[in-house]
Amino acid sequence: EAQVTQNPRYLITVTGKKLTVTCSQNMNHEYMSWYRQDPGLGLRQIYYSMNVEVTDKGDVPEGYKVSRKEKRNFPLILESPSPNQTSLYFCASSSGEPYYEQYFGPGTRLTVT
Amino acid sequence: AQKITQTQPGMFVQEKEAVTLDCTYDTSDPSYGLFWYKQPSSGEMIFLIYQGSYDQQNATEGRYSLNFQKARKSANLVISASQLGDSAMYFCAMREGTGNQFYFGTGTSLTVIP
Repeated sequence: EAQVTQNPRYLITVTGKKLTVTCSQNMNHEYMSWYRQDPGLGLRQIYYSMNVEVTDKGDVPEGYKVSRKEKRNFPLILESPSPNQTSLYFCASSSGEPYYEQYFGPGTRLTVT
Repeated sequence: AQKITQTQPGMFVQEKEAVTLDCTYDTSDPSYGLFWYKQPSSGEMIFLIYQGSYDQQNATEGRYSLNFQKARKSANLVISASQLGDSAMYFCAMREGTGNQFYFGTGTSLTVIP
């Protein structure tokens, strides 16, 4: 089954404790992205990648890191989480042309206390 | 300036009626794509429909159609014959150029009334 998986699905952590949210897709997609969703703000792109070792900042990259060492994986790293990073996070992948249709993971709800 | 604007935070529609969800966009790039996604209360993001900036005809997918008015920079979603299962949050999104940078609107919450 074609899918994007994220782990963990739920995470409660404390300020400053480094964490990684994993994202993996089995569709051989070139393009991957991370978004955060906050009430009233919609989805905002954090980082995106157009290929292995190619990543770019989205609208809200501060406080996040990503890496793309393999085509299928695109982990999101929070080196020192803060309460304002409490949010719902989505990973997405896309094959690119012609439609760039994105397939989304199930989401990770992160709470930073 | 906002790249994507959805001005209707909430909408109600009677079951079996049609409803239009508004979306306007802002870009100076001649090449772009417009998308609509549905997010039910369960939280997943579901792709509904796509319109490319060079497409001459409005996109349609089953009960969904995209009313693309390029000069007005609007990309409204029309849902015909609404069903109870259409109750959800709807997001308009845009991709500029040929990259992977996307912009989403703040969403419209649609409630279908029996």
